[in-house]
Amino acid sequence: DAKTTQPNSMESNEEEPVHLPCNHSTISGTDYIHWYRQLPSQGPEYVIHGLTSNVNNRMASLAIAEDRKSSTLILHRATLRDAAVYYCTPTASGGSNYKLTFGKGTLLTVNP
Amino acid sequence: ETGVTQSPTHLIKTRGQQVTLRCSSQSGHNTVSWYQQALGQGPQFIFQYYREEENGRGNFPPRFSGLQFPNYSSELNVNALELDDSALYLCASSLPGVAPGELFFGEGSRLTVL
Repeated sequence: DAKTTQPNSMESNEEEPVHLPCNHSTISGTDYIHWYRQLPSQGPEYVIHGLTSNVNNRMASLAIAEDRKSSTLILHRATLRDAAVYYCTPTASGGSNYKLTFGKGTLLTVNP
Repeated sequence: ETGVTQSPTHLIKTRGQQVTLRCSSQSGHNTVSWYQQALGQGPQFIFQYYREEENGRGNFPPRFSGLQFPNYSSELNVNALELDDSALYLCASSLPGVAPGELFFGEGSRLTVL
């Protein structure tokens, strides 16, 4: 399984952009990179995923390094509701087998 | 469209007992996965079921077993409970081919083993 390295914690101010980094240097060529977040007392919530190209959706943007050894989740304007643990997870996919490999994640604190 | 629901939300067992946790998948999702999340850690993959068959397993002993039913609901059974089994157990459903790895998680069942 690919290993990930993320900062234990990060802090941001409300309405400012947040860049959450992830190192996944052992990722295989066919693994997707998924990001999930987990709010207190809830299950993880899908945020975004990508393979090689940068991706955007209504929640965030995902920037993937050209060598795929790292990626950055970008929250364009942090809100208090974005305070959560953010996980970067390489996804081994094959047929119907979607196994997520979670590390400890980054605890994001958003200050008002 | 209903989300993933899990029951019970909390339960307490003693070492050596057996426990069954239940999950109702999101409508139309035929794949279900179970994860164990210890306090302060990320979720760890236990196993996945697709069309009522186990389809992938993580590094968990055989006393962790599961079932998936024709209506895609699922159970996680743990026998001979150990203290280290205390954790949040998460169920997640997905629809293969729609978005690889986009799992929909329930809020979990918090198991405490005394």
